[in-house]
Amino acid sequence: KNEVEQSPQNLTAQEGEFITINCSYSVGISALHWLQQHPGGGIVSLFMLSSGKKKHGRLIATINIQEKHSSLHITASHPRDSAVYICAVIRGSQGNLIFGKGTKLSVKP
Amino acid sequence: NAGVTQTPKFRILKIGQSMTLQCTQDMNHNYMYWYRQDPGMGLKLIYYSVGAGITDKGEVPNGYNVSRSTTEDFPLRLELAAPSQTSVYFCASWNALNEKLFFGSGTQLSVL
Repeated sequence: KNEVEQSPQNLTAQEGEFITINCSYSVGISALHWLQQHPGGGIVSLFMLSSGKKKHGRLIATINIQEKHSSLHITASHPRDSAVYICAVIRGSQGNLIFGKGTKLSVKP
Repeated sequence: NAGVTQTPKFRILKIGQSMTLQCTQDMNHNYMYWYRQDPGMGLKLIYYSVGAGITDKGEVPNGYNVSRSTTEDFPLRLELAAPSQTSVYFCASWNALNEKLFFGSGTQLSVL
């Protein structure tokens, strides 16, 4: 079993829909990051979470430390949100970076 | 601040050749990482460092070496290039709990 599991693997939505991507992890962490990668592009960090909730524009990220679970929400989705979203955790005791396999999001106009 | 600078952007190697991928950050970050991304696949951690003088293996370290003599620099060395090392390589850095991860722009490496 992978230490970081993301779901769904693939997601297709219509423009304007509310989107949720989930991330569960099985190790102790010091931080969790949500990343975005556009096709053929580099990787951009969206959020860093160690507790609670963060919001930036139409993006909201939450984390539940007790349940070892995080979610990334996109409100009023737009075709430009089409990308791969990756959850990554930094292992608390070691500092190494563990990635989920990513969620490929496609938003249709 | 320039952020994370990664060079070169593209490189073609012959089997058995060696090369060094450079990664430099100017944000005084303690944590630095190298990972690879194969086509259509997820990111795999090669090596990481939690500070100058300290390095550790990640998930796929075979065929690679790193060093961290300064806080700023974290070069990745390929000694005997193999076709299995054809991939896109990313360097990243991170520091405090209130900061995001910062990524280099990637190196596309082909070993033929």
